Amino acid sequence: EAGVAQSPRYKIIEKRQSVAFWCNPISGHATLYWYQQILGQGPKLLIQFQNNGVVDDSQLPKDRFSAERLKGVDSTLKIQPAKLEDSAVYLCASRQRDSSGNTIYFGEGSWLTVV
Amino acid sequence: GQQVMQIPQYQHVQEGEDFTTYCNSSTTLSNIQWYKQRPGGHPVFLIQLVKSGEVKKQKRLTFQFGEAKKNSSLHITATQTTDVGTYFCAGRYSGAGSYQLTFGKGTKLSVIP
Repeated sequence: EAGVAQSPRYKIIEKRQSVAFWCNPISGHATLYWYQQILGQGPKLLIQFQNNGVVDDSQLPKDRFSAERLKGVDSTLKIQPAKLEDSAVYLCASRQRDSSGNTIYFGEGSWLTVV
Repeated sequence: GQQVMQIPQYQHVQEGEDFTTYCNSSTTLSNIQWYKQRPGGHPVFLIQLVKSGEVKKQKRLTFQFGEAKKNSSLHITATQTTDVGTYFCAGRYSGAGSYQLTFGKGTKLSVIP
C-alpha cells in the first residue's frame, strides 16, 4: 500500500517569498491533516480536513497560511509571505474515517528553511 | 489550550539499560497514542491505549495508561541502538468532535553502544 506522498522534500526560500507544499494521502483516507514541526518540538496541528471540508483550522495563521483540498483527495498548503519562524518540517498525515481506523499515517515531510 | 507534557526531554542510556518516558495531561484523555520518529524521519505510529489502566506490550516496549486517563508511560527494556529516536505521546481529549491529537514535545533517546 502506498503511503502519504509529499512534495517537495526540501525547500529554501527567502523571507517574504511564497511556497506551496503538496500532499496526496493514502487512498481512501477521508481525513487529512497538516502539521508543523519545528526542530526539537512535537508536531503541531495546523489544519484538518474531512473529505473536502475544513474541520479545524484554529491554529492556522490565516494571515499568511492557506490550505485547500478541493476534490477531497490531495491537498496544498501555501505560505505567503514566509517569515523566518516558518522554518520547520510540514508534515501531512491521513486517517481512515471509520472508528477502527484511528492510526494516523504521516508522510515524510516537507522541510522548509526560510532565510 | 490543552497540553500534553512529556518528560524527560532527553535521555542518554548505555546499550542494555532500560528507558522510560512519561506523558501527563491536566485533563482526562479519551485515548493516547505513541509515535517514534527516527532522526530525519517522520513520526511512525507505535500503539494506541484507550482503557483506564491499560497495559500493552510490544516485544521490549511496555505502554501504560493511567487509571485516571491523564498519564501514560513507555518503557523500553534492554535498549538497543535501533531504539534511537524521539518518542512522542499524543493525546486525544474527551469530547473532541473531530479526531485530533495533541502531541507532547517528545523524549529524544540516545543509546551509547
